[in-house]
Amino acid sequence: NAGVTQTPKFQVLKTGQSMTLQCAQDMNHEYMSWYRQDPGMGLRLIHYSVGAGITDQGEVPNGYNVSRSTTEDFPLRLLSAAPSQTSVYFCASSREWVGSPLHFGNGTRLTVT
Amino acid sequence: KNEVEQSPQNLTAQEGEFITINCSYSVGISALHWLQQHPGGGIVSLFMLSSGKKKHGRLIATINIQEKHSSLHITASHPRDSAVYICAVSTSNTDKLIFGTGTRLQVFP
Repeated sequence: NAGVTQTPKFQVLKTGQSMTLQCAQDMNHEYMSWYRQDPGMGLRLIHYSVGAGITDQGEVPNGYNVSRSTTEDFPLRLLSAAPSQTSVYFCASSREWVGSPLHFGNGTRLTVT
Repeated sequence: KNEVEQSPQNLTAQEGEFITINCSYSVGISALHWLQQHPGGGIVSLFMLSSGKKKHGRLIATINIQEKHSSLHITASHPRDSAVYICAVSTSNTDKLIFGTGTRLQVFP
């Protein structure tokens, strides 16, 4: 059982480039979310989805887009990368929004130069 | 002041010691999570609780809703327990998660 799969593991971008971080889960979870982790700070919610076709903004959504065309996939798009987006990104899924354990991907370490 | 505070920030222990990591929060919650992040970076869910106490192997998590406080205990600590332990709460008004900044634990043989 693969769980939550994130790709790529590492990425270096130049300022202004775009890219998509991939996230897929095989547990048929309705709830998926993207977080960023920065030194000295707790994980912060970027965007989340409560089911296919439904997405919403989290705490730090600026500069990021998401879509949820299938239950399995929840890609995160950086439209025009900025150095402030240098971070470690985690995708997570859960069976329920509240009250069920979180399943995290292994993270993507992104550096924007 | 952060809504979720963890203490200590860093903790070192000798193998076999009893470990306690604390989490205090200032918001109303519907659930509290304890997570483990290993040096490789992956995050694993250890516990989710809304009252009382849960135990899994050498790990015990407790929560006191009235005092807005939770503890994670590790009995007979082992070097493989070395990791960052993260507390997160689901707020009762938004259901969104707020994460603590983590406690870095190093257990030496």
